[in-house]
Amino acid sequence: QKEVEQDPGPLSVPEGAIVSLNCTYSNSAFQYFMWYRQYSRKGPELLMYTYSSGNKEDGRFTAQVDKSSKYISLFIRDSQPSDSATYLCAPYSNDYKLSFGAGTTVTVRA
Amino acid sequence: EAQVTQNPRYLITVTGKKLTVTCSQNMNHEYMSWYRQDPGLGLRQIYYSMNVEVTDKGDVPEGYKVSRKEKRNFPLILESPSPNQTSLYFCASSLNTYEQYFGPGTRLTVT
Repeated sequence: QKEVEQDPGPLSVPEGAIVSLNCTYSNSAFQYFMWYRQYSRKGPELLMYTYSSGNKEDGRFTAQVDKSSKYISLFIRDSQPSDSATYLCAPYSNDYKLSFGAGTTVTVRA
Repeated sequence: EAQVTQNPRYLITVTGKKLTVTCSQNMNHEYMSWYRQDPGLGLRQIYYSMNVEVTDKGDVPEGYKVSRKEKRNFPLILESPSPNQTSLYFCASSLNTYEQYFGPGTRLTVT
């Protein structure tokens, strides 16, 4: 079993829809929960992160972590075509590395 | 502009021919790391460095070497590349080890 599981999609939504992305993980030592966005042929770009359980909002993006169920979510409100990318969850546990999910590819149709 | 740079961006080589991929950051970060990205496997850490002259293995270090002689540079060395090292490689740096900022990637093909 992988340490971090992420549905690869692909996910296709119309412009303006809410995009919901999820990961599950097995390592209870994870403390920071990062979300990266990766455009085609580019490096991962840090979108936002949360520490421990709870919610964090940044503009149209909301990250949620439920440590009791080992579940990580990212919501994108009012999605735009420019949000079309691969989204990677990446928890971290003080072992000096990010543990990446395989990534979910999202297409927002204009 | 704060950034991580990698060179070359694309490289095609043959089995056994030593190569080096350079990585440089201008953010004065102490932590640097190398990852490889393969379809369906996500990004996996190869090596990391907490500071100059301090390096350690990640999850997939076999076949790779690194060195950290200066704070800003962290080259990845493949002394005898093999086809299974064909991949997309990313260098990252961080001030605190968890907020990692990635370079643009190096696409390596070993034939």
